[in-house]
Amino acid sequence: AQTVTQSQPEMSVQEAETVTLSCTYDTSESDYYLFWYKQPPSRQMILVIRQEAYKQQNATENRFSVNFQKAAKSFSLKISDSQLGDAAMYFCAYRTSTSGTYKYIFGTGTRLKVLA
Amino acid sequence: DTGVSQDPRHKITKRGQNVTFRCDPISEHNRLYWYRQTLGQGPEFLTYFQNEAQLEKSRLLSDRFSAERPKGSFSTLEIQRTEQGDSAMYLCASSLGTGRNTEAFFGQGTRLTVV
Repeated sequence: AQTVTQSQPEMSVQEAETVTLSCTYDTSESDYYLFWYKQPPSRQMILVIRQEAYKQQNATENRFSVNFQKAAKSFSLKISDSQLGDAAMYFCAYRTSTSGTYKYIFGTGTRLKVLA
Repeated sequence: DTGVSQDPRHKITKRGQNVTFRCDPISEHNRLYWYRQTLGQGPEFLTYFQNEAQLEKSRLLSDRFSAERPKGSFSTLEIQRTEQGDSAMYLCASSLGTGRNTEAFFGQGTRLTVV
């Protein structure tokens, strides 16, 4: 079974600085998707960034980028120029692309604090 | 369409009572998911529908839990004979299952407190 591990329960970053959140996963599949979701306090979870395993190029979305290391099964999120609004729980998630099984498997999350 | 909608947002119930939650997905989304999230944890998968068919259920989903998605539109999650351990946030998500569309859109959740 696939698993997702986030080893950093909490991280802090100064406003305007850069922070990297770690995620590792375990799978025997070759084709899958990886995601970072953001969950602000008392608000719904929203997608930050997505990576398709068959793509070697790391995904970027404005200030957010990933470092996808397929062989190492590592998928870290880098947030540049951190803003106060980035403070939230961040969840790494895995989804198979195998037909018929489309559930998302989440890690335990990393709480990001942004210091003014 | 404003996104995934869940009702109620909060539910307080006495142990032993039955509760039912509703989820209205984004209208064109054929995939619907239920997750449970406890404080400080990531969402745990409960069950998944493609259209009206329930294709997967987690072993976490005991016999007291049942979910339906009649006509492939809204879904309900019922918990019978609630226990204090059922207290959690119940999240619904939907996605469009075509091509390589993969993003799951989440609702705001229903927070259940069993007293």
